[in-house]
This record gives sequence, C-alpha cells and structure tokens, in this order.
Amino acid sequence: GAGVSQSPSNKVTEKGKDVELRCDPISGHTALYWYRQSLGQGLEFLIYFQGNSAPDKSGLPSDRFSAERTGGSVSTLTIQRTQQEDSAVYLCASSPPPGTIIETQYFGPGTRLLVL
Amino acid sequence: KNEVEQSPQNLTAQEGEFITINCSYSVGISALHWLQQHPGGGIVSLFMLSSGKKKHGRLIATINIQEKHSSLHITASHPRDSAVYICAANTGNQFYFGTGTSLTVIP
Repeated sequence: GAGVSQSPSNKVTEKGKDVELRCDPISGHTALYWYRQSLGQGLEFLIYFQGNSAPDKSGLPSDRFSAERTGGSVSTLTIQRTQQEDSAVYLCASSPPPGTIIETQYFGPGTRLLVL
Repeated sequence: KNEVEQSPQNLTAQEGEFITINCSYSVGISALHWLQQHPGGGIVSLFMLSSGKKKHGRLIATINIQEKHSSLHITASHPRDSAVYICAANTGNQFYFGTGTSLTVIP
C-alpha cells in the first residue's frame, strides 16, 4: 500500500507569506506527527495527533504555526507570516493504533521549505 | 541540558565490526525510538522500545528503564549501514531527539 505522502515536496516562499503543508498518512493509522529538521540540525518535534483527541500544541515554535487534522486523516501544517528561520524540512509520520503488533512510525519524504 | 544525549557523535568502523550507539535520557518515557536517516534525508523507524530488547536482522536495541539508557547494536556492519542514527524519547505527548550518531562503515 501507499506510504505517508507529503505535498508539496519543495516550497519556496517570500518572507511574510503564509504556507500550507499537507500530510496524507497511511490509511488506518490513528496517530500523526509533525517534525522539522533545519539544515544541519537535529529533528525537532512540533505536534502530534492521536485519533480525535485534541493535540498538544506546546511543541509548536511560535503562534505563527498551527496544525489541524480533518476527519482523523489528512493533516495540514500552516505557517503564517513566514520567517527565514522557518526554512527547514518538515516531516510528517504516522503510526498504527496502539496495541498493533508493529507500533512504529512511518515517515513521509518531507517538504523542503525555503523562505527567502 | 538536553533531554536526550547520544554517543558517540561520529563513528567510523570497518566492515564486519560490531557497533554500539548509546542513548541516555532524562525524561519519563512511554517509549524510546531509534531512527535511521540516510544521506538522502529519508527517515526510517528502526525500533520502538518500552522495555527489554528487540532484534531485527542485524540490529538489536536494548533499554534499561531504571538507568534511563538505551543502546543500538549493529552486528556484522556493512557499508550500507552508513547513516545517521537518532534516538528519540517519547514522553506520551512530546518527542525529544538526540543529535544523532553519524556512522560510516568502510569496506
């Protein structure tokens, strides 16, 4: 079956513009995660959705970042008024329901965001 | 202070060598993850551990909950194992990542 997909694969935007990044998790996966990785840096956790529960937003770096997950499936990460420091690879991952024999995260290919 | 510390930061090994990467964490966890990031950037989840030991092929991961320490072992290392290995502590609603161990296996 299809893996986690993300779109766009690359995005170049001007400082101050808003961007939307999309993640399509694997069908049936209840958990969805957003991370980012700045150039030469380690992974940074942003937000996590489990089923229909309200997400913990404390990992989001500023109030310019928001994320939603509609219908327990597709998720959108929105960055408003982008800044140059927002440039990074934004990664999405999904995982199957708790108690599944193989509880692991499946990563998408990422969206490379460049803010000029 | 980092919630997750990995060592070594860089590791070069000869093909066939046994490799150990260590991870210590300071937060309470629901699970500990080991990830592999290839030079092209793609990330693969290797293990999710909450206790004991798991094995997958030549990879073995162990965790000691009392000592808040996990190790990733690679037996009979191969050049295709060259990648960055990342430890991540899952507290239940947050993930804290180590800075990664860059492994190069030389033929």
